[in-house]
Amino acid sequence: QSALTQPASVSGSPGQSITISCTGTRSDVGGYNYVSWYQQHPGKAPKLMIFDVSNRPSGVSNRFSGSKSGNTASLTISGLQAEDEADYYCSSYISSSTLVFGGGTKLTVV
Amino acid sequence: QVQLVQSGAEVKKPGASVKVSCKASENTFTSYDINWVRQATGQGLEWMGWMNPHSGNTGYAQKFQGRVTMTRNTSISTAYMELRSLRSEDTAVYYCARGWGVGANFDYWGQGTLVTVSS
Repeated sequence: QSALTQPASVSGSPGQSITISCTGTRSDVGGYNYVSWYQQHPGKAPKLMIFDVSNRPSGVSNRFSGSKSGNTASLTISGLQAEDEADYYCSSYISSSTLVFGGGTKLTVV
Repeated sequence: QVQLVQSGAEVKKPGASVKVSCKASENTFTSYDINWVRQATGQGLEWMGWMNPHSGNTGYAQKFQGRVTMTRNTSISTAYMELRSLRSEDTAVYYCARGWGVGANFDYWGQGTLVTVSS
């Protein structure tokens, strides 16, 4: 199973909005509403930010939102803050309880 | 508060095996799947597989089939991941993570265990 495709890097200024894409196929992203997004700061374990395409776990800021269209899922961060600078990974359920991650996107807040 | 505490760093020679443990702090250990995810230095996340601590059922990524085994000891709320026939490309930080839902959402993670494979 190939990794989902994410841009290697995105950047934005404080207060702006950015969107990170996650492209798969009909066998993963397009076939199920089970896309998650994780934030990872250097040297730390990942943190769940979005699950089931567009749901936020308790405690995650509403500046983070998720969506999906066809084979591409997206994570949008509005009102960018310096603390949002991190790596972001998408994941998708494939089938038979298997999972695949995206290659990751480095977000820089300039 | 759920905590997953992993065993310490390991250094192994090529061809050897490594077994990493993941101890859960709470009494709901058998209620959620434990997944294993690894990350090579400077690289992305790679899902390895899952285990249901209640039933012992497992599912592995195709890449690791035949080389990985995930087990548990429910009496001590601990999950294990054993990887065999190690090669240098297996050098990575290995994480355990609690998964729930059909989409395997990982809400709690261990601190990570660095496994270095070097001759």
